[in-house]
Amino acid sequence: SQQGEEDPQALSIQEGENATMNCSYKTSINNLQWYRQNSGRGLVHLILIRSNEREKHSGRLRVTLDTSKKSSSLLITASRAADTASYFCATARYSSASKIIFGSGTRLSIRP
Amino acid sequence: GAGVSQSPSNKVTEKGKDVELRCDPISGHTALYWYRQSLGQGLEFLIYFQGNSAPDKSGLPSDRFSAERTGGSVSTLTIQRTQQEDSAVYLCASRQGANEKLFFGSGTQLSVL
Repeated sequence: SQQGEEDPQALSIQEGENATMNCSYKTSINNLQWYRQNSGRGLVHLILIRSNEREKHSGRLRVTLDTSKKSSSLLITASRAADTASYFCATARYSSASKIIFGSGTRLSIRP
Repeated sequence: GAGVSQSPSNKVTEKGKDVELRCDPISGHTALYWYRQSLGQGLEFLIYFQGNSAPDKSGLPSDRFSAERTGGSVSTLTIQRTQQEDSAVYLCASRQGANEKLFFGSGTQLSVL
């Protein structure tokens, strides 16, 4: 079974608005990563947050991690048409740090 | 190379045939991963290599699936006696070390007729 589950499965917003996606996971983790996928092929790494971190920023991206709730959120501010893609969280379990499991993803659509 | 390279990019085969998918990771990356993605779905973990060893093969769907990695570099995913449900995009990724990000190839689109 998947370690991470994203919520919502699909999100459609107006250009310029903020987009928030959530990820929940089941077991203790070493770190959590977010990736973007365009056109159903290769994924691109966005940001990595370690288990001892609570918040991280990268440009228009803000990621939070709550290990007590086993959840993370990805916020994209001032969305652009180019942000249209699928977004996945991925976790490396504490017990097996090398095994990286992906969630089911959120399909984000930005309306012009 | 500059990035993770996968070949072929597309493969159409007949049910019952064997196929080999190749992944050439970024030079120096010790860990290599294989994932499968069905249309509109998430990534399903198949197997990962640390060097030439595969510590976790639990994601391989059946004994028709096997993978190997030689010289700590190129990896081959083999699917024997392909079935229609094997149709998917097979993605390969590599990374340099623990707690590092994954670099993905563009994937192989496998279609089993």
